[in-house]
Amino acid sequence: IAGITQAPTSQILAAGRRMTLRCTQDMRHNAMYWYRQDLGLGLRLIHYSNTAGTTGKGEVPDGYSVSRANTDDFPLTLASAVPSQTSVYFCASSDEGGTEAFFGQGTRLTVV
Amino acid sequence: DAKTTQPPSMDCAEGRAANLPCNHSTISGNEYVYWYRQIHSQGPQYIIHGLKNNETNEMASLIITEDRKSSTLILPHATLRDTAVYYCIVRVRDTGGFKTIFGAGTRLFVKA
Repeated sequence: IAGITQAPTSQILAAGRRMTLRCTQDMRHNAMYWYRQDLGLGLRLIHYSNTAGTTGKGEVPDGYSVSRANTDDFPLTLASAVPSQTSVYFCASSDEGGTEAFFGQGTRLTVV
Repeated sequence: DAKTTQPPSMDCAEGRAANLPCNHSTISGNEYVYWYRQIHSQGPQYIIHGLKNNETNEMASLIITEDRKSSTLILPHATLRDTAVYYCIVRVRDTGGFKTIFGAGTRLFVKA
């Protein structure tokens, strides 16, 4: 693993189902983030974590939950998916000095 | 974090310099100017950042006005692979992380 890995790459999900998007980083970064990106819009922050054991809400947290049990993993869970959660989801982490954020390649989620 | 304003789109001829402007009139003294880009369907990629001095790296140059209320990202010899959405962000550089909200950015089209 090099950098940030997201899984799955894409998923079609029935409305009402539960889904967890996985994110793993091997850079030992303290801070991690989840963004969503919709057609024609920029990235919007869903949740973040400054360090293992802590999480915080971003701009659009409703319908999503996160956990940060360790430094490397930051899963995003949709408890009961709705069509408006159809989007591309990006996970990111940032280095100790907060200089740069590294992004995964994204998960394309379609809720039908 | 301060708000930024960018043109929605720009064109540039291949081999010419691409100059992407960004206004950040409410920037605070401890906020840095960052540029990221997102090539189609990929995660955003860090380009460059600066505080008040002009900066240059292997990818681009960043020119920040003396009053720091605006900046310009310069791609000196644009190629077709530079076609992407470019995001200008201002933020405090700290270990608290990258809770920055990305705006819509500038869509740069490099044409042959």
